[in-house]
Amino acid sequence: QKEVEQNSGPLSVPEGAIASLNCTYSDRGSQSFFWYRQYSGKSPELIMSIYSNGDKEDGRFTAQLNKASQYVSLLIRDSQPSDSATYLCAVNMDRAGGTSYGKLTFGQGTILTVHP
Amino acid sequence: GAVVSQHPSRVICKSGTSVKIECRSLDFQATTMFWYRQFPKQSLMLMATSNEGSKATYEQGVEKDKFLINHASLTLSTLTVTSAHPEDSSFYICSQSQQTDTQYFGPGTRLTVL
Repeated sequence: QKEVEQNSGPLSVPEGAIASLNCTYSDRGSQSFFWYRQYSGKSPELIMSIYSNGDKEDGRFTAQLNKASQYVSLLIRDSQPSDSATYLCAVNMDRAGGTSYGKLTFGQGTILTVHP
Repeated sequence: GAVVSQHPSRVICKSGTSVKIECRSLDFQATTMFWYRQFPKQSLMLMATSNEGSKATYEQGVEKDKFLINHASLTLSTLTVTSAHPEDSSFYICSQSQQTDTQYFGPGTRLTVL
């Protein structure tokens, strides 16, 4: 069964610390990986996308991908209270092209709390 | 990223009535839109993939006759919840894919069925 799993959390870190969020996926053929942030009562917003093995940095966020281990992570440096949200890992497991474009499978999310 | 709007943002209706939710792509002609449902404290569940000019593709377990999707133009997709019941109360979110794997979400519609 195709699945995306995230560490259950909730994760609590002090302000200024590094928050590490992890995600594993079951389909070895997956090619596209995304991290979304969702505040309570709001819809998800895209933080990062990553397609190749290694690290991808954008400001305080770094996504890491290891396709051999079927593992993708998100690091948040200098965590701020405003980073407190649910973080969703999403994987495109249907690369048939055409009408399957963009179909994502989401993990259950990890709740992050950054306390002052 | 893409700009996607949804209307209404919140709706309360009586059991047995139908509710239409609109999803608009404001800055891009979206050939593909997705409809998700999210229950409290759960993740997003894909309901269907909406393709402009053709029938929607529904996920397993989603009743196509209950959740009617119309994607009549490149900027508008609608989801109609027919004969809504309290168990249909949820957060409905659409998203747009600009011919890539990246999806941009609308603000969502919170449906409450009394």
